[in-house]
Amino acid sequence: AQRVTQPEKLLSVFKGAPVELKCNYSYSGSPELFWYVQYSRQRLQLLLRHISRESIKGFTADLNKGETSFHLKKPFAQEEDSAMYYCALLRTSGTYKYIFGTGTRLKVLA
Amino acid sequence: NAGVTQTPKFQVLKTGQSMTLQCAQDMNHEYMSWYRQDPGMGLRLIHYSVGAGITDQGEVPNGYNVSRSTTEDFPLRLLSAAPSQTSVYFCASSYWGAGANVLTFGAGSRLTVL
Repeated sequence: AQRVTQPEKLLSVFKGAPVELKCNYSYSGSPELFWYVQYSRQRLQLLLRHISRESIKGFTADLNKGETSFHLKKPFAQEEDSAMYYCALLRTSGTYKYIFGTGTRLKVLA
Repeated sequence: NAGVTQTPKFQVLKTGQSMTLQCAQDMNHEYMSWYRQDPGMGLRLIHYSVGAGITDQGEVPNGYNVSRSTTEDFPLRLLSAAPSQTSVYFCASSYWGAGANVLTFGAGSRLTVL
């Protein structure tokens, strides 16, 4: 079955510390993977996607097909990074569906 | 350009009542979908549509109906509300095609069923 796993419900780090939000997936085909973010009192929005291979707000994520992972990383956390982060997989064969992980709340402490 | 508009923002229902959550988008997106967001459960897909006249079930479709008579609108109907349907509901849409599938979300509808 297709699944996205985010093992941490809550991740607290100090400002300036490195951040890694973990995401593992199970999918037999070639998925598209995304990170979506929900800041306080804002709508869910795309942070980045693996096919773009870009850095957004200092965040990067590399798709590792061998480890079936798509971890989100930032070398130096900022307080404004505090938010809820969702990893999502889009099935690209058969029935087109998004599958979201359970989310990780990131708190960046001053 | 309003994006994805959901109404109402808040609703309180009694068990057994029915209601419709409205979702409209003005971006000519083919794909539209409904999710519920519950603590510790993340976002779970209820129903989705890849075009007018085409709908399909997601992970948690029981107790919900949808229809897609136009490209713009994708209402979610609760047939007989139950306390287990207390949640925050999000509508999201996107273009559909290789490399084009970035979801645009609505602001959410908070539903409480007593």
